[in-house]
Amino acid sequence: DTGVSQDPRHKITKRGQNVTFRCDPISEHNRLYWYRQTLGQGPEFLTYFQNEAQLEKSRLLSNRFSAERPKGSFSTLEIQRTEQGDSAMYLCASSRTAQSTDTQYFGPGTRLTVL
Amino acid sequence: SQKIEQNSEALNIQEGKTATLTCNYTNYSPAYLQWYRQDPGRGPVFLLLIRENEKEKRKERLKVTFDTTLKQSLFHITASQPADSATYLCALDIRSNYQLIWGAGTKLIIKP
Repeated sequence: DTGVSQDPRHKITKRGQNVTFRCDPISEHNRLYWYRQTLGQGPEFLTYFQNEAQLEKSRLLSNRFSAERPKGSFSTLEIQRTEQGDSAMYLCASSRTAQSTDTQYFGPGTRLTVL
Repeated sequence: SQKIEQNSEALNIQEGKTATLTCNYTNYSPAYLQWYRQDPGRGPVFLLLIRENEKEKRKERLKVTFDTTLKQSLFHITASQPADSATYLCALDIRSNYQLIWGAGTKLIIKP
């Protein structure tokens, strides 16, 4: 257990529905990242926060995806009008500082299946 | 185009032997490279970081080398154990303050 928690662990939804995932980072970690991982691939960067500010979003990120980190603590990732191609593992990671070499601690992920 | 390659086929190693995994990259000049372990249904776990000016890094039974001329990192597990069976991912810094680029990982199977 790395100390990063994600909820839910699994989500099955029908195409067109909206889903929201939650990530609780390690307390006092300033950086929070969201990644997406499909079977047989490495994590793909989606977005990251420095405290409550969302500083970067991947160009690959559809406008159906939105993320928030109110008060710089937990974060939520929402996917609107889900598509079958959104099926993947969604990983959250946090790091203590803004140093690029600081270790990222990953949560267990939320596995999304879109039917 | 920018590319990271790890052995896509699973690596089968006899218990007690040294396992060596490869991470090759093109069109990058990373400041550092990281190795992670990922078990099924779990997030990656950080193992080691090696900087561009370091040739080798060790941690217990793990050793990482980094050859910026060959654009390659090797990850070694000595005295391998069945508990070392997992997927191992390499990740490169692309000289930005937020983003790592990840390889697809190599599945390592240690047979008793």
